[in-house]
Amino acid sequence: DGGITQSPKYLFRKEGQNVTLSCEQNLNHDAMYWYRQDPGQGLRLIYYSQIVNDFQKGDIAEGYSVSREKKESFPLTVTSAQKNPTAFYLCASSIPPQVSGRKNEQFFGPGTRLTVL
Amino acid sequence: KQEVTQIPAALSVPEGENLVLNCSFTDSAIYNLQWFRQDPGKGLTSLLLIQSSQREQTSGRLNASLDKSSGRSTLYIAASQPGDSATYLCAVRAGGYNKLIFGAGTRLAVHP
Repeated sequence: DGGITQSPKYLFRKEGQNVTLSCEQNLNHDAMYWYRQDPGQGLRLIYYSQIVNDFQKGDIAEGYSVSREKKESFPLTVTSAQKNPTAFYLCASSIPPQVSGRKNEQFFGPGTRLTVL
Repeated sequence: KQEVTQIPAALSVPEGENLVLNCSFTDSAIYNLQWFRQDPGKGLTSLLLIQSSQREQTSGRLNASLDKSSGRSTLYIAASQPGDSATYLCAVRAGGYNKLIFGAGTRLAVHP
């Protein structure tokens, strides 16, 4: 059953803590993405990775970090430097444009809701 | 800077109605436009993707059109059902690394 999994579904963070959100895919996609969604707003890109061991900042990367050691995995760490981390976090993957051309459809995981206590 | 706007923000209709959701974008230099559905507390499900060279795409009761020159797309839902209740998001792809820029969504409620 191919798809994208995110864990945990709900996460609570205390002030000053770092927390890591997991994203795994078995779609054999090279490109992976992290988005943040706030209530009543669209998604905003945090980080993206087109291939293993490579990643780039998106529009709102401050206070976040990522790694891409395996094709299947793209974990996101929310650091204590992120001043307003309470949000819904969504991971996505796609075949990169160099392979799929203009189509390049993105597929999303079920999300992780992070709340700061 | 590309901006995506969706109107209306919320819509409530009786079952069986045909309805249109609107999406507009400020920069016509896009590669494609994608419509998504999001149920409360869930991830996004891709509904339709329209390439910049296409005018429309259809899937079942859904039809999406694209007018790139005017910066507009519409999602047409025929014979709406209560199960269609969800938030519908549109996103345009611009830039070489597949960056998607999202609208804030239209929250749809279809009541029996």
